[in-house]
Amino acid sequence: GAGVSQSPRYKVAKRGQDVALRCDPISGHVSLFWYQQALGQGPEFLTYFQNEAQLDKSGLPSDRFFAERPEGSVSTLKIQRTQQEDSAVYLCASVEGLAKETQYFGPGTRLLVL
Amino acid sequence: RKEVEQDPGPFNVPEGATVAFNCTYSNSASQSFFWYRQDCRKEPKLLMSVYSSGNEDGRFTAQLNRASQYISLLIRDSKLSDSATYLCVVNPTGGFKTIFGAGTRLFVKA
Repeated sequence: GAGVSQSPRYKVAKRGQDVALRCDPISGHVSLFWYQQALGQGPEFLTYFQNEAQLDKSGLPSDRFFAERPEGSVSTLKIQRTQQEDSAVYLCASVEGLAKETQYFGPGTRLLVL
Repeated sequence: RKEVEQDPGPFNVPEGATVAFNCTYSNSASQSFFWYRQDCRKEPKLLMSVYSSGNEDGRFTAQLNRASQYISLLIRDSKLSDSATYLCVVNPTGGFKTIFGAGTRLFVKA
């Protein structure tokens, strides 16, 4: 079956530009995570959704970052006024049930802010 | 102290070797533990869950030591295809935040 998909796969943005990153989780999966992965580091937790409810956004680095999952399926991570330090791979993962189960990752969006 | 710490390596081993990685975690109440594998420029994929009793899957064995707050991964008879970064993952109790270690890089050479 289809896995987690993310779009765009690559994004180059000028500093100050707004970007929107999309995640299509596995159909029927309840939980969804967003992570930020810098080069040579492990994924860093950004936020967690259970269906449409954003239950944890403690990892969002600033108020420029905003995530939503309005219908409990597709999710969008928006970064406003991008800065160079936002350059990273943004990974989305979905889980069939609760947060502590196996996470299935999408291929990520590579964001480069110039 | 980081919540999850791993030796970054790299570990360079010949084919057929046995190699072991450790990962320490700081939250003693953590309940769920995993090892994920990440190939270069790819997404992480679950390798195995780590249970209190330890578990084995073919050439891979995972152990949990709650008293010392570490988990381990043992790879026997290393293959070239085992070359990857191995990520230790902890779900602390009481929240949804999942914490990944920075990863241990393994290179298996012919």
